[in-house]
Amino acid sequence: DARVTQTPRHKVTEMGQEVTMRCQPILGHNTVFWYRQTMMQGLELLAYFRNRAPLDDSGMPKDRFSAEMPDATLATLKIQPSEPRDSAVYFCASGFGVGYEQYFGPGTRLTVT
Amino acid sequence: QKEVEQNSGPLSVPEGAIASLNCTYSDRVSQSFFWYRQYSGKSPELIMSIYSNGDKEDGRFTAQLNKASQYVSLLIRDSQPSDSATYLCAVNIETGNQFYFGTGTSLTVIP
Repeated sequence: DARVTQTPRHKVTEMGQEVTMRCQPILGHNTVFWYRQTMMQGLELLAYFRNRAPLDDSGMPKDRFSAEMPDATLATLKIQPSEPRDSAVYFCASGFGVGYEQYFGPGTRLTVT
Repeated sequence: QKEVEQNSGPLSVPEGAIASLNCTYSDRVSQSFFWYRQYSGKSPELIMSIYSNGDKEDGRFTAQLNKASQYVSLLIRDSQPSDSATYLCAVNIETGNQFYFGTGTSLTVIP
């Protein structure tokens, strides 16, 4: 049963701490997306990678967020330092390109106090 | 104007009825369109994709695309209480190769 996995599922941290979220895309998918979902803003695309190369991170606050893909089976999203306004659910999704179906992981629910 | 717009609802339909969900988009050169279902506290789940004008049917679901009018819709026939969820429309905007989600329409199917 191929699916996107994300860790951790829940994270509570204090303001100023570093947060790292991890994603394992579906084997064979070459495009990985990071989204953030809040009640106010809905689902926002933060960044995406194709064949491990970052293609677009225009949706991501550059001063504190960074996204990497060290290998084809792992994508990471880091926030340093974290702020209360970063509290949201962060989803990873994978697929065969921006114009194709995307499959979502279960999400990481982040709470920054 | 947002790239993708949906009526937030809530939309309520009785069990067995047809639920109709609508979505409009702003970019005329958009190529790919998707409908996702999201249950409360869960991640979005892909229901349908549609790439060309017309209707596409999959079981109880029918996606309809009209590029001239820049809208895409989702019909759910024989609605079931288990269809109660938020439905998200998503569009691949070719300009800048971006991907946008609408804010979703909340659907409640009343037994």
